[in-house]
Amino acid sequence: AQSVTQPDIHITVSEGASLELRCNYSYGATPYLFWYVQSPGQGLQLLLKYFSGDTLVQGIKGFEAEFKRSQSSFNLRKPSVHWSDAAEYFCAVSMDAGGTSYGKLTFGQGTILTVHP
Amino acid sequence: DGGITQSPKYLFRKEGQNVTLSCEQNLNHDAMYWYRQDPGQGLRLIYYSQIVNDFQKGDIAEGYSVSREKKESFPLTVTSAQKNPTAFYLCASSLSGTAPYNEQFFGPGTRLTVL
Repeated sequence: AQSVTQPDIHITVSEGASLELRCNYSYGATPYLFWYVQSPGQGLQLLLKYFSGDTLVQGIKGFEAEFKRSQSSFNLRKPSVHWSDAAEYFCAVSMDAGGTSYGKLTFGQGTILTVHP
Repeated sequence: DGGITQSPKYLFRKEGQNVTLSCEQNLNHDAMYWYRQDPGQGLRLIYYSQIVNDFQKGDIAEGYSVSREKKESFPLTVTSAQKNPTAFYLCASSLSGTAPYNEQFFGPGTRLTVL
C-alpha cells in the first residue's frame, strides 16, 4: 500500500530565510506527487504537482519541489519565506490503479510552518 | 467563479443526533470525495464517488453515509453511530476519479462539534 511520511510536524523559520519541507513516499511504481497548503480553518490549495519529465517542478507562490526517485522523496522548497507562508503543508501521492479503478490520493500528516518576523 | 461550497461552516450537534453536511460543486467534475481531518493525522478518506448514483467506502466510512443523486452535489450524513464525530470535514472534487494525475479541488470545510 502506498504511504507518505512528512518527518517534521512543526518547522519554524525567520522571514526571509530559505525553507525545505520534507516528504518521503512508499510506492512501487512511478508516483503522482502533490503538495497542498492549508491556512487555518480553510480548505486545501494545490501548490504544485509532479507526474513525469523534469524532476524539478515549479508551483505557485514561489514554491518548487524536486522529485528524487533514488531517495523516494519530493521535498518542497522556497528560497525566501514570507510571513504569509505560515500555514500547514501536506504532501500527497496518487497511484494509477489502471482502467476504471480509483486512483486513491494518500496524504501525509502535514507540516505546520511558523514564520517569525 | 467555479468552485466548491460547503455549508454550514460551523455545526453543532447533540449526541445521538444525525446531521448532514452539504457539498456542492460547479466545476462539472465527475468525482467527489469526503475527508475527515483531525490534528496531526492528515486527511482520511470517508467516502468517494466517481460518478452520479455511485459511491464507495473509503478508509473510515463507519458511522457515515452519503448520496450522489446529482453530479454537483455530494452530501455527507454523520450518524449517531459515529462514536467520535467532532472533526473538520473537507469535501473535494476532481475531473475524474480514475486518472491519478487529476488534482483534487477542496471546499472551505465544515467544523462539526458534538456537544
